[in-house]
This record gives sequence, structure tokens and C-alpha cells, in this order.
Amino acid sequence: AQSVTQPDIHITVSEGASLELRCNYSYGATPYLFWYVQSPGQGLQLLLKYFSGDTLVQGIKGFEAEFKRSQSSFNLRKPSVHWSDAAEYFCAVGDGGATNKLIFGTGTLLAVQP
Amino acid sequence: SQTIHQWPATLVQPVGSPLSLECTVEGTSNPNLYWYRQAAGRGLQLLFYSVGIGQISSEVPQNLSASRPQDRQFILSSKKLLLSDSGFYLCASWAQGALGANVLTFGAGSRLTVL
Repeated sequence: AQSVTQPDIHITVSEGASLELRCNYSYGATPYLFWYVQSPGQGLQLLLKYFSGDTLVQGIKGFEAEFKRSQSSFNLRKPSVHWSDAAEYFCAVGDGGATNKLIFGTGTLLAVQP
Repeated sequence: SQTIHQWPATLVQPVGSPLSLECTVEGTSNPNLYWYRQAAGRGLQLLFYSVGIGQISSEVPQNLSASRPQDRQFILSSKKLLLSDSGFYLCASWAQGALGANVLTFGAGSRLTVL
């Protein structure tokens, strides 16, 4: 069965600093991988996704993620964090099958300090 | 692109009362539809999904049920709410996005508090 682990529950970074959020997945075949962001009390917005091809994926809002099969990881990065990036971030894995079910991690809450 | 409408946005219900949360989708046809629940500190738990009208699959045993009476309508229900049903419920739709890329799109959510 698919599973996703986000080992960092809460991260605080200074505005302008770089950011890396960790995501590890468990899946037997080539996974479909996603990062979503959620602002308080809101739904989830897709940041980026990986289906195949180039393992470095660019997303919206200056985010990128790198798929590393050998490490079963799909870490999210941003070179310079803005105060508006404070939110909760979710990594998800899907099998791309007929049901297209996504399994989500427990999320990482990002705080940005001035 | 698809748009997902959920209502009500906020709901406070007593234990033992019934529940109906509604989700409708615009901008696509024959989508896969999903209900997720988000409880504090527990991420998103997939409750139900549907690949077509009248077709419902349950992911976890619970006090809730789902129905899909129309192609773009997905309803989450309960006959008698429990305290543990409190949470943030998100409806999602999987459909073809721009350039043929599959996308899972979420509604704004319904926050349920059971007292």
C-alpha cells in the first residue's frame, strides 16, 4: 500500500532564507507525486506534480521539488522564503490508476519569522 | 478549469443529529470525486471516492456514508453524528487539467463541529 511520511511537523525559517521540506514515500512502482499548500481554513492548492521525465519539477510561487527514486524522496525547496509562504504543506502520492486516489502525508506547518 | 463548490462552509451540530454536506463540480464531466477529512495534526484521510454515478467506495469503516446522485454532485451524510466526526471535510475532483495533465482540485472545505 502507498504511504507518505513528512518527518517535520513544524518548521520555522527566517524571511529570505532557503527552505527544504522533506517527503518520503512508499510505493512499489513509479509513483505520481504532488505537493499541495493549505492556508488556514482553506482548501488545498496544487504547487507542483511529478508524473515522469525530468526529476526536477518547477511549480508555482517559486517552488521546486526533486524526485529521487533511490531515496524514495520528493523534497520541496524554495531558495528564498517570503512571509506569505507561511502555511501548511502536504506531500501526496498516487498510483495513476483508474481511481486516481491520492494518499497524503500528515503535513508540515511552516512559520516565517521576520 | 474545474471549480468545486462545497456547502455549508461551517456547521455546528449536536451529537446524534443527521448530517448532509454537499459538493458540486463545474467545468468538467465524469470526474472522479473524493471526500477527505482533515483532523488537527492528522493530515488528510481519504473517506470515500467515486468513479461514476451511484458508484461509491469506502476507504475506512465509520459513521458516515456518501452518495453520488448526479455526475457532478457528491454528498457526505450521517444519520447520527458522533463527537469524533468533528473535522474539516474537503471534497476533491480529479479531472483532466490544461495540456492534458491530470489534476486533483479541492473545494474550500466544510468545517463540522459536533457538540
